[in-house]
Amino acid sequence: DVKVTQSSRYLVKRTGEKVFLECVQDMDHENMFWYRQDPGLGLRLIYFSYDVKMKEKGDIPEGYSVSREKKERFSLILESASTNQTSMYLCASRRLDRAGGSNQPQHFGDGTRLSIL
Amino acid sequence: KQEVTQIPAALSVPEGENLVLNCSFTDSAIYNLQWFRQDPGKGLTSLLLIQSSQREQTSGRLNASLDKSSGRSTLYIAASQPGDSATYLCAVRAETSGSRLTFGEGTQLTVNP
Repeated sequence: DVKVTQSSRYLVKRTGEKVFLECVQDMDHENMFWYRQDPGLGLRLIYFSYDVKMKEKGDIPEGYSVSREKKERFSLILESASTNQTSMYLCASRRLDRAGGSNQPQHFGDGTRLSIL
Repeated sequence: KQEVTQIPAALSVPEGENLVLNCSFTDSAIYNLQWFRQDPGKGLTSLLLIQSSQREQTSGRLNASLDKSSGRSTLYIAASQPGDSATYLCAVRAETSGSRLTFGEGTQLTVNP
């Protein structure tokens, strides 16, 4: 089974702090994703990475950056945390489609509930 | 821009009932559609993925169908159990969006003993 592990289930930080959320997958997946989930807004894509050292902005990248130095690890960084970044953060990974198919699902971690005070 | 809608937002049924969850999407040019389950405070668990060339997929008591031309998918749950209580989300991978998924807001299902 695919295992996507997020380093913390719950995290409390203060406004202005630099916050690191870590995600590790054990299946050699090329693609990795960071989402946030808020009531009434659903899941929104922050950043994703096609492969090592490659990244692309999602729908709401402002206030965030990412790092993918190794294939198995994708880090989300809140440069200067603000209260409106209090949310549930979800990491996902996915294997690249193989020739002739589009059947590779996204697999999610258990999420990090981040509170910024 | 792809939009995904799930109706109803919440559903409560007695144990043992068969039920259908609905998902609609605005752009029929999709690679696939994926159904997920989310328990409170947890991440998403992938249930079924239907490729655009397929009409349905089955896993145990779950059956997902896809009508790409009309922009609709359904998730059928047979003989529902209290353990099926969760939020069910559908997500579409559009041809114009690479590897991205567009999610619906989910249907919160409660199965009463």
